[in-house]
Formats: sequence, C-alpha cells, structure tokens
Amino acid sequence: AQKITQTQPGMFVQEKEAVTLDCTYDTSDPSYGLFWYKQPSSGEMIFLIYQGSYDQQNATEGRYSLNFQKARKSANLVISASQLGDSAMYFCAMREGNDYKLSFGAGTTVTVRA
Amino acid sequence: GAVVSQHPSWVICKSGTSVKIECRSLDFQATTMFWYRQFPKQSLMLMATSNEGSKATYEQGVEKDKFLINHASLTLSTLTVTSAHPEDSSFYICSVRPLAGSTDTQYFGPGTRLTVL
Repeated sequence: AQKITQTQPGMFVQEKEAVTLDCTYDTSDPSYGLFWYKQPSSGEMIFLIYQGSYDQQNATEGRYSLNFQKARKSANLVISASQLGDSAMYFCAMREGNDYKLSFGAGTTVTVRA
Repeated sequence: GAVVSQHPSWVICKSGTSVKIECRSLDFQATTMFWYRQFPKQSLMLMATSNEGSKATYEQGVEKDKFLINHASLTLSTLTVTSAHPEDSSFYICSVRPLAGSTDTQYFGPGTRLTVL
C-alpha cells in the first residue's frame, strides 16, 4: 500500500493567493514525521516544513503552514501569498519510527500565474 | 550555502560503462546517507541506505551488484552504476542525516543527471 498519497498531479494558482496541497499518509507506527519538499526545475530538493506525530501544534514556516489532522492521517501544505517563484513540484514525505529513510508521494506540480 | 554536494552534476556515458557518483557532506559528519533515483516527472524512490563502515542496505528490487555503494568516510558516499544501460538513465539524489542533531533533519544533494547512450 502507498504510504504517502498526493492526489493532485497539478495545480494552478493566481499570484498572491493561497494554495493547499493535499497529502494523506498511512502508517501503524505511533512515532513518525512528515515533511514537505519543494523541487524546482533545477532538481534540488528544498526542505519546507516538518511535523512530528507528537507535535501538538501545526507547524508553520514563513508562508508555509502544515494542516495536520492526525485522525484523518492528512498533512496538507498551505502556501499563502503565492509568488511566481513558488512554481515547482512539491513532495510530501514521511519517516516512520526510528527509521530515517523517507517515503515520498507522487508529487504535485504547482504553477503560479501572474 | 550548500551543505551536501554531488559530483558530477551530470554525466553522459556509453552503454556498458560504469559511472561513479559522489555524495559529500560539507558541513557535518554523517553515519547515514541515502541514495534515491527519480525518473522524469516522477517521485523519488529510495534505492539504498549507505552506512559508514558497513554494507549498504538496499531496498527491495534494487540490484546491489549493479548499484555499488561505498560509504568510505563520515563525509563521503559513492554510488557506482556498473555496466550502465539506457534504462539506468535517471536523476540520482543523495541525502545526508547528520551524526549530531535532530533525527528529523536531512539534507539533500543537488542531484546527478545520468544519461546512458
């Protein structure tokens, strides 16, 4: 079974608007971590935000916030005030227990329109 | 600045040759490094976990004799694609987990684009 599911292959968003990228996950381990990465066309993986399974509050990093709904096993990324430079592929990823390797979702391509 | 480097950034080789890709941690020591491959417009797939001083742990379906991994020091891991074929053409990315600090911190290299003719 897929550990990370991203159901939106591509999204368009108007500059300065907010966009939500969906991510659901599947694990039986009570300890896990959820990550979001941005991959521009250059290929580098840029870390955006992290949420631990025991974190009480939703993570925020500047214009990025993570809507963590543990019961639903979802960890959606919200990008506020979109900028043209936000156009990229976005990946949701998870590590489980004491294993540090990451399982990635299929990714969502975001295109910001001027 | 970059904390993880990869060399080369891109390589083109003939079918049947071997190609070595280096992943170097610049700012910290790492006992664990990971190697991923990514086909165009697809996700990252973990190939193997590179462990300093011991054998790499390969994911199911990854041929260990084809993708040789050597973690020679706390700052260097190499991936050698042996007898490369066109189907091995891909984007190879490493990530590094620092020896010290949070278990949730991983840093990715810039990737190596391999094209096998």
